[in-house]
Amino acid sequence: KAGVTQTPRYLIKTRGQQVTLSCSPISGHRSVSWYQQTPGQGLQFLFEYFSETQRNKGNFPGRFSGRQFSNSRSEMNVSTLELGDSALYLCASSFPGQGFAGYTFGSGTRLTVV
Amino acid sequence: GENVEQHPSTLSVQEGDSAVIKCTYSDSASNYFPWYKQELGKGPQLIIDIRSNVGEKKDQRIAVTLNKTAKHFSLHITETQPEDSAVYFCAASMGGDKLVFGAGTILRVKS
Repeated sequence: KAGVTQTPRYLIKTRGQQVTLSCSPISGHRSVSWYQQTPGQGLQFLFEYFSETQRNKGNFPGRFSGRQFSNSRSEMNVSTLELGDSALYLCASSFPGQGFAGYTFGSGTRLTVV
Repeated sequence: GENVEQHPSTLSVQEGDSAVIKCTYSDSASNYFPWYKQELGKGPQLIIDIRSNVGEKKDQRIAVTLNKTAKHFSLHITETQPEDSAVYFCAASMGGDKLVFGAGTILRVKS
């Protein structure tokens, strides 16, 4: 079966710009979570969406936002990019009721801010 | 909030030897403890997990142990192989909220 698909795989943006990342979950998965991975901070939780609603949110500034569509695909947006936003952004999806036990991660989008 | 500490940060072992990675969590309410393996250019992949009502779980060469009193859990890999080389992350969750990850351990298996 197809895994979690994240697009694009790589992005280079300039400070001050905004960016939108996409995540297509495994078919049937309705929960999508986003994580930021950096060498210094490791994996940090951004937010979780279920049935088009944000259920949980991590400790990130309001420049980080997301949404989920009726087909469970999710996007995250980062506005006014800063150099420190350079990271690997990962999304994970799971079936309803499986919670984290059913987490499947995508390969991530590598964002570089210059 | 929950905090997870992971040690060591790097681990080198000879092929065939065992590898042990340890994690400590802070919130006694945590009840789910997964371990992930991340290879270069890929996302983390779940390799084994354990819930708070179980003390040990094994899957072929991989095992996880949990000590709720001490609030720590460990990953044990026996008979290591070169393909075990990767970054390993532990994580903890109170259930339904979010996963809090350890900082990761780079495992190198030398052949």
